[in-house]
Amino acid sequence: AQSVTQPDIHITVSEGASLELRCNYSYGATPYLFWYVQSPGQGLQLLLKYFSGDTLVQGIKGFEAEFKRSQSSFNLRKPSVHWSDAAEYFCASISNFGNEKLTFGTGTRLTIIP
Amino acid sequence: DVKVTQSSRYLVKRTGEKVFLECVQDMDHENMFWYRQDPGLGLRLIYFSYDVKMKEKGDIPEGYSVSREKKERFSLILESASTNQTSMYLCASSRDTNTEAFFGQGTRLTVV
Repeated sequence: AQSVTQPDIHITVSEGASLELRCNYSYGATPYLFWYVQSPGQGLQLLLKYFSGDTLVQGIKGFEAEFKRSQSSFNLRKPSVHWSDAAEYFCASISNFGNEKLTFGTGTRLTIIP
Repeated sequence: DVKVTQSSRYLVKRTGEKVFLECVQDMDHENMFWYRQDPGLGLRLIYFSYDVKMKEKGDIPEGYSVSREKKERFSLILESASTNQTSMYLCASSRDTNTEAFFGQGTRLTVV
């Protein structure tokens, strides 16, 4: 069965600093990969997705993610964070072979300090 | 703009009550999902549906049932609410199996 690991439960960065959130997946073939963001008390919003092609994916709000097959990773990055980026971030994957369900990591909570 | 609407943002129910959580999507999506979200556990799939009147168990179906009588509506039912079902419940829909899911705002359910 596929699984998604987000090794960092909580990350704190200064406003204006760069950000990288880690995500690893376990699946034999290349899955479809997603990053979602959840602001406090809200539902999840899709930041970006990777299905195939260029391994560097651009998303909304200035985020990007890079798929690395050799490391089974799909890390999320932003060159300069803003206070409004404080939220919880979820990585998710789904098989591209059939009726596999969308599987989420446990999330990384991002705190921004002035 | 895509929209998934959950009927309540906050609910407080008593132990033993039958609870209905409603979800409606306006995108003509085939697939609909119910997740629960708990701190440190991420999102866990309760039930999903690929078509009207069709349902499949997710990872944690015990104590829950679902109903999908119309394509746009997917209901989660807690047959007899218990305190360990206090949680955030998220509904989602997707066009087909291997595309991104769109989420509702969530329902925070407290069972007392």
